Amino acid sequence: NAGVTQTPKFRILKIGQSMTLQCTQDMNHNYMYWYRQDPGMGLKLIYYSVGAGITDKGEVPNGYNVSRSTTEDFPLRLELAAPSQTSVYFCASSYTGGRGNTIYFGEGSWLTVV
Amino acid sequence: KQEVTQIPAALSVPEGENLVLNCSFTDSAIYNLQWFRQDPGKGLTSLLLIQSSQREQTSGRLNASLDKSSGRSTLYIAASQPGDSATYLCAVRPGDYGQNFVFGPGTRLSVLP
Repeated sequence: NAGVTQTPKFRILKIGQSMTLQCTQDMNHNYMYWYRQDPGMGLKLIYYSVGAGITDKGEVPNGYNVSRSTTEDFPLRLELAAPSQTSVYFCASSYTGGRGNTIYFGEGSWLTVV
Repeated sequence: KQEVTQIPAALSVPEGENLVLNCSFTDSAIYNLQWFRQDPGKGLTSLLLIQSSQREQTSGRLNASLDKSSGRSTLYIAASQPGDSATYLCAVRPGDYGQNFVFGPGTRLSVLP
């Protein structure tokens, strides 16, 4: 099983550039999430989605956008990249929002903005 | 605002030792608490999930306890092995059914052969 797949694994961006991190899950999960992880810090939620066509902001949404046109895909768009967006990004998915079920994470995307 | 801390930040132990990792949270109104393992360059893998009504969960050599009233959880690893070396994170799900797990910063564990 592929689980949660993220691309790219590594990317270097220049300040002001834009890019999209791709995320796909093959478990038919209704909930999907984007987190960022900074060194020595816990994961912080950027955006989440409870199903196709429905998205909502998390704790740190500024500078990002998402869309959810299908159950499987949940891309994260970075507009006008800034050094503060240098981080590791994790996509995750779960069924029923993880209340009683576990969350599955992708392997991460390392982004550096220079 | 819910905050999660983990002590110690890093821990080195010789193989075979039993060890305890600690997780503290400031708001006892949680729905559940989950422990994750993160290997270098990898995502997070769920180890144990404890519902707010439960006191502990066990899986193999791992035992997680929850004391909601005091805002604490521990992860006990028995007979540690070098393969247990990883970062361990705890996360709480707020009791208001919010979608946001609040994560601790993690404890980096090294088990020496």
